[in-house]
Amino acid sequence: NAGVTQTPKFQVLKTGQSMTLQCAQDMNHEYMSWYRQDPGMGLRLIHYSVGAGITDQGEVPNGYNVSRSTTEDFPLRLLSAAPSQTSVYFCASSYAGPDIYEQYFGPGTRLTVT
Amino acid sequence: KNEVEQSPQNLTAQEGEFITINCSYSVGISALHWLQQHPGGGIVSLFMLSSGKKKHGRLIATINIQEKHSSLHITASHPRDSAVYICAVYPTTGNQFYFGTGTSLTVIP
Repeated sequence: NAGVTQTPKFQVLKTGQSMTLQCAQDMNHEYMSWYRQDPGMGLRLIHYSVGAGITDQGEVPNGYNVSRSTTEDFPLRLLSAAPSQTSVYFCASSYAGPDIYEQYFGPGTRLTVT
Repeated sequence: KNEVEQSPQNLTAQEGEFITINCSYSVGISALHWLQQHPGGGIVSLFMLSSGKKKHGRLIATINIQEKHSSLHITASHPRDSAVYICAVYPTTGNQFYFGTGTSLTVIP
């Protein structure tokens, strides 16, 4: 199993550009989520999905869109990048509810918005 | 607001020392997780707790639900234990984890 994969590993965007961060898992996990990690702050939930076709907002959803058309893939779209979105982004998955099942994290995407 | 507080923020230890990292939280929870973030950035889950104590190798995690406190202990620390250790809580009334800012551990040979 590849586990949770994320692409790209690094990305530099100009303000106003859009892009999609890719996340895929091959463990048949129902629950997938996107977090951002900023210096001096804990991981914060952006969006999550409890299964194909079902998504919901987390703590910091503004400026981001998600969709879940398949169990495997959970892309995160930045609609119009802003410097405040400079961060490290982690995708995670778990078999079901993340409170009772282990979360598996991707390697992260380091995004810089200039 | 910060539901989760970790201490210390930074910790340097000599190889072989016993290490304790603390996590306090302010809300009722259904679960607490301990995570390890490697220097390269990768995050792995170490423990999931809802009560009592768990042990895996040289790592021990405990939780006191009444006192809203958890500890992560590392016995016979080794330089490969150098990492950031993160505490995360899942509130009983919520639908997401809240994460501490992490404890950065450096173990010197």
